[in-house]
Amino acid sequence: AQSVAQPEDQVNVAEGNPLTVKCTYSVSGNPYLFWYVQYPNRGLQFLLKYITGDNLVKGSYGFEAEFNKSQTSFHLKKPSALVSDSALYFCAVRDNLGSYIPTFGRGTSLIVHP
Amino acid sequence: EPEVTQTPSHQVTQMGQEVILRCVPISNHLYFYWYRQILGQKVEFLVSFYNNEISEKSEIFDDQFSVERPDGSNFTLKIRSTKLEDSAMYFCASSEGTTGYAFFGQGTRLTVV
Repeated sequence: AQSVAQPEDQVNVAEGNPLTVKCTYSVSGNPYLFWYVQYPNRGLQFLLKYITGDNLVKGSYGFEAEFNKSQTSFHLKKPSALVSDSALYFCAVRDNLGSYIPTFGRGTSLIVHP
Repeated sequence: EPEVTQTPSHQVTQMGQEVILRCVPISNHLYFYWYRQILGQKVEFLVSFYNNEISEKSEIFDDQFSVERPDGSNFTLKIRSTKLEDSAMYFCASSEGTTGYAFFGQGTRLTVV
């Protein structure tokens, strides 16, 4: 079975400060991990993924995420937040065993204050 | 950039009525999906479609739901007799394969009254 948790409903950060959006997962085999972003009235947009290789993954819009196998985490980070980063962020995981359908978290609302 | 398009963006329907949500996936993609998100809750998988048949479905996707790819470009989700609890945002998505990521449409907000 696969599951994903985003422990924070909302994250507030000041513009220019670093941001972290947390995600933890549970899988039976090895994880494929994804981050998506949803802006108002838009669909989910892919940000980045981890399949294998380097634990630090770089994605769109300056975002990166670090895969930590021992902590079963895949936190999304950005060194310097922009007001335009304010959106809903979804973490997703799928197990490399079994179904190819990813399971999504409930989303974290990121609010960047000017 | 190619995109998945969904129509309508918002639909209001009376309980018990049938609704059809429409999607145009990206043209060279082979896998198609429907997800839904009830307000404030997580994005839930409904069904995936490959090679003109359902490849996976969740327990949510019961006999009230059906999917179709009627003409090689559109991908539809039909709910035969809507219930209040079907009110949600419905997302269509498509992907080239199964190891990468999916492209999502902007969603259809379904309100059942």
